[in-house]
Amino acid sequence: DARVTQTPRDKVTEMGQEVTMRCQPILGHNTVFWYRQTMKQGLELLAYFRNRAPLDDSGMPKDRFSAEMPDATLATLKIQPSEPRDSAVYFCASGLGLSYNEQFFGPGTRLTVL
Amino acid sequence: AQKVTQAQTEISVVEKEDVTLDCVYETRDTTYYLFWYKQPPSGELVFLIRRNSFDEQNEISGRYSWNFQKSTSSFNFTITASQVVDSAVYFCALRGTYKYIFGTGTRLKVLA
Repeated sequence: DARVTQTPRDKVTEMGQEVTMRCQPILGHNTVFWYRQTMKQGLELLAYFRNRAPLDDSGMPKDRFSAEMPDATLATLKIQPSEPRDSAVYFCASGLGLSYNEQFFGPGTRLTVL
Repeated sequence: AQKVTQAQTEISVVEKEDVTLDCVYETRDTTYYLFWYKQPPSGELVFLIRRNSFDEQNEISGRYSWNFQKSTSSFNFTITASQVVDSAVYFCALRGTYKYIFGTGTRLKVLA
């Protein structure tokens, strides 16, 4: 049963620290999405990749966030420096083909920045 | 601008009742895609359906059915004979030319 995996599942850190979240997309999927979910803003698309190339990262605060795909099996989302307002659940999703096809979501990383 | 409105924040029904979740969208794109996702208490979002703007045919999948009406910019979701396992937050989403936009979600509680 292929699934998207995310690590860590929970992260508590202090303001100013660097945070790295990792995602392993389903093998063979060529699109990867990063979302952030908060009570206030709901679900927001931060960035997405197709064939490892970033196609849209307009939803991401550029000054502190960065997203990369070092290889087809790993996507990373980094926040440096982290701030309390970054506290949220971060979801990774992967899909096959074009960006409007079905997305398979990971379990999320719950980030708390103190 | 694109927008997805799920006006119902929370709905409670008794098991076996039918329930409809509303979704109204705004977009200037002529080609777009609409989605429903389910987020159970475990947190992981689960894809339910995708519809493109050129296909207004309604769809039924078991107890689930979807009514897409371009004339009213709505894409409503009905669960027939609801079950406790249907309890979740349901999100409607729109994919236009540039971005995915999610609605704020409707929390459905199905009571035994």
